[in-house]
Amino acid sequence: GESVGLHLPTLSVQEGDNSIINCAYSNSASDYFIWYKQESGKGPQFIIDIRSNMDKRQGQRVTVLLNKTVKHLSLQIAATQPGDSAVYFCAGPEGYNFNKFYFGSGTKLNVKP
Amino acid sequence: NAGVTQTPKFRVLKTGQSMTLLCAQDMNHEYMYWYRQDPGMGLRLIHYSVGEGTTAKGEVPDGYNVSRLKKQNFLLGLESAAPSQTSVYFCASRTAGRENIQYFGAGTRLSVL
Repeated sequence: GESVGLHLPTLSVQEGDNSIINCAYSNSASDYFIWYKQESGKGPQFIIDIRSNMDKRQGQRVTVLLNKTVKHLSLQIAATQPGDSAVYFCAGPEGYNFNKFYFGSGTKLNVKP
Repeated sequence: NAGVTQTPKFRVLKTGQSMTLLCAQDMNHEYMYWYRQDPGMGLRLIHYSVGEGTTAKGEVPDGYNVSRLKKQNFLLGLESAAPSQTSVYFCASRTAGRENIQYFGAGTRLSVL
């Protein structure tokens, strides 16, 4: 079946370093992906999205890379800050049904001062 | 803007009891969703609604019912709670059209004893 998942359950980085969080998917028909950030005790918060006609998209301190050949996407956070500590997960729709998204289990990012 | 508001924030039930979780959004969004989040797993879709008066099943609908009598509200009901329904429940909404970003509430933590 279709799936969207993340490679590592936890990632620890030093404050000021760059963070790279990875995600793999299995559905070749996926046209769209979203990255969410979830802080402890809160709901997921949108970070950035990307469509399959792009291989890179940049936001404020974040970049998402999409490699359709190996069905992999990554979220890069530049100059990681303590406020970036959270669980990050990717999500993709079931084919072209944007009412059914598959969510990865998440990578917990720990930022060390 | 309040965004997506969920009530209650916490609840403890005994097996067999019933309850209703309320989700309210003030963004005039057409689509609304109910998810559950369990440790080590991604968000899983329970039910969703594409408009007032309509509902549809998601990935894990058994044991839950929903209603969307008003556009701004989406109710999730548990008729006879079971320990397996202990989870954190999130409501989300999004607008129709090309933007596929779902906006989430802060969640309801439910324990069934």
